[in-house]
Amino acid sequence: DVQLVESGGGLVKPGGSLRLSCAASAFTFSDYTMTWVRQAPGKGLEWVSSISTSSGYIYYADSVKGRFTISRDNAKRSLYLQMSSLRAEDTAKYYCARMRIVPSGTGVFDIWGQGTMVTVSS
Amino acid sequence: DIQMTQSPSSLSASVGDRVTITCRATQPIDTFLNWYQQKPGQAPKVLIYSASSLQRGVPPRFSGSGSGTDFTLTISSLQPDDFATYYCQQSYSPPYTFGQGTNLE
Repeated sequence: DVQLVESGGGLVKPGGSLRLSCAASAFTFSDYTMTWVRQAPGKGLEWVSSISTSSGYIYYADSVKGRFTISRDNAKRSLYLQMSSLRAEDTAKYYCARMRIVPSGTGVFDIWGQGTMVTVSS
Repeated sequence: DIQMTQSPSSLSASVGDRVTITCRATQPIDTFLNWYQQKPGQAPKVLIYSASSLQRGVPPRFSGSGSGTDFTLTISSLQPDDFATYYCQQSYSPPYTFGQGTNLE
């Protein structure tokens, strides 16, 4: 089955760093733009960052720009999110998602992982 | 940045009801609008893409419409499995913003 599995979450102190990973299986990873979306406890979905197939296009939410870095390794079929200068407001479940390009030319997040929890607290 | 506003934020309905959720963008986004369903403890699941296209495997009681700035998600006859939170999301340009969610209870 097509699958995304996140890992790397945990408890970290404010100002600390963490690297999330997302392993893809059963699809051609290199053909898809990939995305991180987060959800704070009891809150809605927040798009965090997207990276194009060959890493040529990278976008970030203003809330994480300059602190988070998205990357991918197509040979390893993996997506990463390096998070630094973490704040309490970064506490959330982080999902990786595949962006499928539809006939209209836009994208939809059609496959999601189950998420990994990041807690920023002293 | 494009902001997405959903209404209502919460909705009380019963099995068999026809339910409509609206989503408004702060600028025109053509039909670059997707709808997701999320149940507690689960990842979101796409229902509708490009405003009105039904994702494979999603029951036809779900439908979407709209273009420009105003969009709707309709559930024609609410089923027990449909009680969840629904999000719209624009894919016109990054940041690919979500609406704040509609909790259907």
